[in-house]
Amino acid sequence: ILNVEQSPQSLHVQEGDSTNFTCSFPSSNFYALHWYRWETAKSPEALFVMTLNGDEKKKGRISATLNTKEGYSYLYIKGSQPEDSATYLCALFVYGGSQGNLIFGKGTKLSVKP
Amino acid sequence: EPEVTQTPSHQVTQMGQEVILRCVPISNHLYFYWYRQILGQKVEFLVSFYNNEISEKSEIFDDQFSVERPDGSNFTLKIRSTKLEDSAMYFCASNARGVRGTEAFFGQGTRLTVV
Repeated sequence: ILNVEQSPQSLHVQEGDSTNFTCSFPSSNFYALHWYRWETAKSPEALFVMTLNGDEKKKGRISATLNTKEGYSYLYIKGSQPEDSATYLCALFVYGGSQGNLIFGKGTKLSVKP
Repeated sequence: EPEVTQTPSHQVTQMGQEVILRCVPISNHLYFYWYRQILGQKVEFLVSFYNNEISEKSEIFDDQFSVERPDGSNFTLKIRSTKLEDSAMYFCASNARGVRGTEAFFGQGTRLTVV
C-alpha cells in the first residue's frame, strides 16, 4: 500500500519564526507531488505541483524542494505570520487506472502565535 | 476567480437513507474527483470522472456509491444506503488537464453526519 507520510503532525511557532516540514513518499515510479494549504472552513488551496527531481518552487514566503531519488519534499515558510496558520497537505500523484489520482498525507497543522 | 462549489455544507442523515452530495466544478474543467476525510484521518481518494465515465475508483467506492454528471455542470455523489462509517467531510475537486501536472481545485466540502 502506498503511503505518504508528513511530519511533524503539528507545529506551534511564534510570529516571525521560519519553519519547515517534511513529506515522504515512495521514490519508485514518481510522477508528481502536490502541496496544498487548507485553512479551517475553507477549500484546500494548491501551493505547488512539483514534477522534477531537484525542483525548487517559491510563492511569496513559502517555498518547496523536491528529492525524488530519496523520496521527500520539504516545505519552508520564512517569517511565519498568523495568517499562515493552516494544515499543509502533500499529495503524491499515482497511476491506479487511466487518469491517476492523488494520495494524501495526513497533513502538518501549523499554528502561528502573534 | 472561478471556484468549485459544493452543497449542502452540512448534511445529517439517518443510517440507511440515501444522500446526494452536489458539486459544481469550474466550468472549463474536464476531470472531476471526489475525496473524503474521516475526522482525524487522511484525505482519501474515492473516484475520478472524465469524459462522462468513471476513470478510476478506490476500494472505498463500492456499490453503495455512484457519481453522475447529469446536466453538464453538476457533479454528484450518491450514497445509496448510508452507514455510520460514511460520516466524513466529502470534497469535490476539478482540474483542467489531469492532476499529474496541474493542481486540483477543491470545493469547501460537505460534512456528512450519519446518525
